[in-house]
Amino acid sequence: DTGVSQDPRHKITKRGQNVTFRCDPISEHNRLYWYRQTLGQGPEFLTYFQNEAQLEKSRLLSDRFSAERPKGSFSTLEIQRTEQGDSAMYLCASSFYRGRTGNTIYFGEGSWLTVV
Amino acid sequence: DAKTTQPNSMESNEEEPVHLPCNHSTISGTDYIHWYRQLPSQGPEYVIHGLTSNVNNRMASLAIAEDRKSSTLILHRATLRDAAVYYCILHTSGTYKYIFGTGTRLKVLA
Repeated sequence: DTGVSQDPRHKITKRGQNVTFRCDPISEHNRLYWYRQTLGQGPEFLTYFQNEAQLEKSRLLSDRFSAERPKGSFSTLEIQRTEQGDSAMYLCASSFYRGRTGNTIYFGEGSWLTVV
Repeated sequence: DAKTTQPNSMESNEEEPVHLPCNHSTISGTDYIHWYRQLPSQGPEYVIHGLTSNVNNRMASLAIAEDRKSSTLILHRATLRDAAVYYCILHTSGTYKYIFGTGTRLKVLA
């Protein structure tokens, strides 16, 4: 399968613990995005990378959240000191950016986080 | 950011065509119209996109109004597997922003 891969698919953690999600984008895609989705809502943008550079962060991304994309390949999203409000599905997407043309992004299956 | 308006829900009978509308009256000249769908417990799946002309692919057709202020996603023969939330999104060429609304929940009746 050459799609966007996310791991783990499901995570249950106790409040206050740290969690990390991993995303492997489609090969050769230079842009990678993280979104968050809660029940009944559409995905909300969190942050994105072009190659290894993190170019934009949403105000939804509090100080407890950090994302990295070393070497411009896979990415990790870490949430420190989790809170119940962090319970959501975390979606990763990737695209090949080639300038001012239609830029289609492709999503992974998502990582479900439940904070108890 | 240009926004889209979609009905909250629609129903269709199996094997009949479905027309999912989207209004985007504030669309700009560099905005592409993208459609994604999301099945339960899965990530959004790309369906189709276009700029000005109508588009067809193996999944669906996209009909874009001449003034580009509205568009319609057409599923030619709905199946039970098409039951999903369908999102209409405007994406400004060259930017990173894909802004999702709450979409249209399509129910397909057997």
